[in-house]
Amino acid sequence: TQLLEQSPQFLSIQEGENLTVYCNSSSVFSSLQWYRQEPGEGPVLLVTVVTGGEVKKLKRLTFQFGDARKDSSLHITAAQPGDTGLYLCAGATNDMRFGAGTRLTVKP
Amino acid sequence: NAGVTQTPKFQVLKTGQSMTLQCAQDMNHNSMYWYRQDPGMGLRLIYYSASEGTTDKGEVPNGYNVSRLNKREFSLRLESAAPSQTSVYFCASSLGWTASGNTIYFGEGSWLTVV
Repeated sequence: TQLLEQSPQFLSIQEGENLTVYCNSSSVFSSLQWYRQEPGEGPVLLVTVVTGGEVKKLKRLTFQFGDARKDSSLHITAAQPGDTGLYLCAGATNDMRFGAGTRLTVKP
Repeated sequence: NAGVTQTPKFQVLKTGQSMTLQCAQDMNHNSMYWYRQDPGMGLRLIYYSASEGTTDKGEVPNGYNVSRLNKREFSLRLESAAPSQTSVYFCASSLGWTASGNTIYFGEGSWLTVV
């Protein structure tokens, strides 16, 4: 059983559409991070959220940390083919635990 | 800008063989990690070194050993490879401990197949 459950597991959309992916847990985290991983490469950090209810924006990406610090969401507005990749959430407890990821494909 | 460098990138082993994955970082980071990534399982922590001179087990340490050779280098050894160890292995580092929200920097991965 994964400590962090990400949904959906796969998502295929057309360029210009909006989407939201979720990261849920029954555990409370001191912080939560989102990473993006492209084929053949290691994950790269997108954002770190620390405070319950916190919202951070990175261009067309909006990240929200749940009030209880157990869950998070990533919303992408007007998706582009360059957004294609594996999106991983990671929660900090005694160490950093990763979810299995959402594999996003944005078709031109 | 090398960052985290790991070798080899690809390796095929026979069951029972041993090998060592090498990792080095040039960012003067204190903490280093070894993760494995399997389909549907995400990244799972094998071993970590919170600081030079210390190593600890992570989530899936069985069948592996590690050595923090110095501040820069952290190696992962498979003493007797098994097919269940077929995976992509990532070395990573961070300035401070990950649970404090520090950014983790990953290498490009090592693809290991055990036949």
